[in-house]
Amino acid sequence: GAVVSQHPSRVICKSGTSVKIECRSLDFQATTMFWYRQFPKQSLMLMATSNEGSKATYEQGVEKDKFLINHASLTLSTLTVTSAHPEDSSFYICSAKPGYEQFFGPGTRLTVL
Amino acid sequence: GDSVTQMEGPVTLSEEAFLTINCTYTATGYPSLFWYVQYPGEGLQLLLKATKADDKGSNKGFEATYRKETTSFHLEKGSVQVSDSAVYFCALTGAQKLVFGQGTRLTINP
Repeated sequence: GAVVSQHPSRVICKSGTSVKIECRSLDFQATTMFWYRQFPKQSLMLMATSNEGSKATYEQGVEKDKFLINHASLTLSTLTVTSAHPEDSSFYICSAKPGYEQFFGPGTRLTVL
Repeated sequence: GDSVTQMEGPVTLSEEAFLTINCTYTATGYPSLFWYVQYPGEGLQLLLKATKADDKGSNKGFEATYRKETTSFHLEKGSVQVSDSAVYFCALTGAQKLVFGQGTRLTINP
């Protein structure tokens, strides 16, 4: 199957700093990627749909200025958590669809101190 | 809106036991249904899927049948192994987006 990678796998940062998470499709091109957030013992919640060459589409309740998404190429989407706060600590997962099926990255654990 | 409800975990079983993880859904239209598995430290992987009523998805000894009349898609396996220990997510496609259940953590003891 198709492979999606994320970097970093874990990041710890101080409150007020910004953190960038990368999502790459390794063996296919993805015009659309998805960013999810997963709280402990809870489901994955779709945050936004990232579209190559255009603005991301955010889900209701997700702050666009807080979670900046850039999809500059057909194999890379980035999520930047700006001015991070402890409540932003979570597990962030990206996915991409080369066809009908979605393939997920391994996730990034963000801890904001 | 569309939603998925899974049985709460964690679930702990002995090796070779029979497994059922319940999943029910609410959706408009006729969604496709999925089971994803997340092994420790890894991303979600598609385990099986069903695209219409009465379809049975199967993979690696796991099965689930799309039951429109009961809006259910329960996951079953006849004899679980230690390597099946993971978190299992039921999901559906709604409005072209995946909607997930809350996940069920399964632990299999030798």
